[in-house]
Amino acid sequence: GDSVTQMEGPVTLSEEAFLTINCTYTATGYPSLFWYVQYPGEGLQLLLKATKADDKGSNKGFEATYRKETTSFHLEKGSVQVSDSAVYFCALDGRGGNEKLTFGTGTRLTIIP
Amino acid sequence: DAGITQSPRHKVTETGTPVTLRCHQTENHRYMYWYRQDPGHGLRLIHYSYGVKDTDKGEVSDGYSVSRSKTEDFLLTLESATSSQTSVYFCAISTPDGTDTQYFGPGTRLTVL
Repeated sequence: GDSVTQMEGPVTLSEEAFLTINCTYTATGYPSLFWYVQYPGEGLQLLLKATKADDKGSNKGFEATYRKETTSFHLEKGSVQVSDSAVYFCALDGRGGNEKLTFGTGTRLTIIP
Repeated sequence: DAGITQSPRHKVTETGTPVTLRCHQTENHRYMYWYRQDPGHGLRLIHYSYGVKDTDKGEVSDGYSVSRSKTEDFLLTLESATSSQTSVYFCAISTPDGTDTQYFGPGTRLTVL
């Protein structure tokens, strides 16, 4: 079945550092891929998405490129801020007709000033 | 804002008691979902609904039931709560934009003593 593997956390970086959170997936067909972010005490918010190979999703300075050849969707940001501290989830929709998402286990990111 | 509310936001109950969590949406989306979030597991799908009175099981449905008698409300019931059901529960809806994007409510923190 579908699965998502993402980088173990927690990850701690200094402000203005470069961020990469790795995400790889297993799915049949051509899934849609997502990154969600969860700030403390809140629900998940969609950060970005990509629906086909080589698409790049971007939002709030974050980017991720759908790489079918490596089955990856790594999240990157060039210069992180303290306000980026959150838990980040990679997810896929296997397009099985029921619109169910499969999530990774989440990566907790802490940015220190 | 996808117009999703959850109630209650926090609940403490005792083992063996029934518990019902409510998810309410204001925009008549067809698909609704219940997830639980636990450390080390990310989000796991409990049940989902694809219309009034149309529901199906997710990967962790044992011990849970759902009902959807109106488009806007999706209820999750724990018939006899157990300590293993202590978790944060999230409701989500799926928007009909062709990309299977899900939007989440604020969550309900349930503690079963």
